[in-house]
Amino acid sequence: QSALTQPASVSGSPGQSITISCAGTSSDVGGYNYVSWYQQHPGRAPKLMIYDVNDRPSGVSNRFSGSKSGNTASLTISGLQAEDEADYYCSSYATSNTYVFGTGTKVTVL
Amino acid sequence: EVQLVESGGGLVQPGGSLRLSCAASGFIFGNYWMNWVRQAPGKGLEWVSRIRTDGNITSCADSVKGRFTISRDNAKSTLYLKMNSLRAEDTAVYYCTRGWGFDYWGQGTLVIVSS
Repeated sequence: QSALTQPASVSGSPGQSITISCAGTSSDVGGYNYVSWYQQHPGRAPKLMIYDVNDRPSGVSNRFSGSKSGNTASLTISGLQAEDEADYYCSSYATSNTYVFGTGTKVTVL
Repeated sequence: EVQLVESGGGLVQPGGSLRLSCAASGFIFGNYWMNWVRQAPGKGLEWVSRIRTDGNITSCADSVKGRFTISRDNAKSTLYLKMNSLRAEDTAVYYCTRGWGFDYWGQGTLVIVSS
């Protein structure tokens, strides 16, 4: 149950697009289409942004999109806005009915 | 409106026990798998445990196996986490979350393991 690997930080200017990667193995990301992404602002509970690799819950901006290739999933935020500054975590269902989270990425809006 | 409200956290000595509760409302609790996720101070998220709708299938992270037990009472719409043999590294905010995609989260309850 090793954590999925995410970059520690990603930054971009308002209006730009950024992509956060989430590297796993064939036992988690690569083996199932149950990858989710969460946004967490300081002192707040995480919020679901993407589920099942590329589906958005109702109410989440379409500026957020997800994808997967092999053992790596990605979250893209387009038209970056100040309110997007937060920590982002990926998660994946894994073998033996378990889950694993990513190491987390701090997004900074310059 | 879906609500998840955790309780039961607090300060406990190493080796001690606690039972966390998560009261659910706004949805049919018995229709959803439920989970516990924790976050140590200043650290990332860690999945802890999950339980099937009927309570008959559970799983947990290796870090808590043999010490933590998840359970549920569908009649009371409540999720539980019994934590035994607590260690300093179990200090964290514990969140309950709903379903396969963790689509709703509670506000969390803080557990501090310290002498």
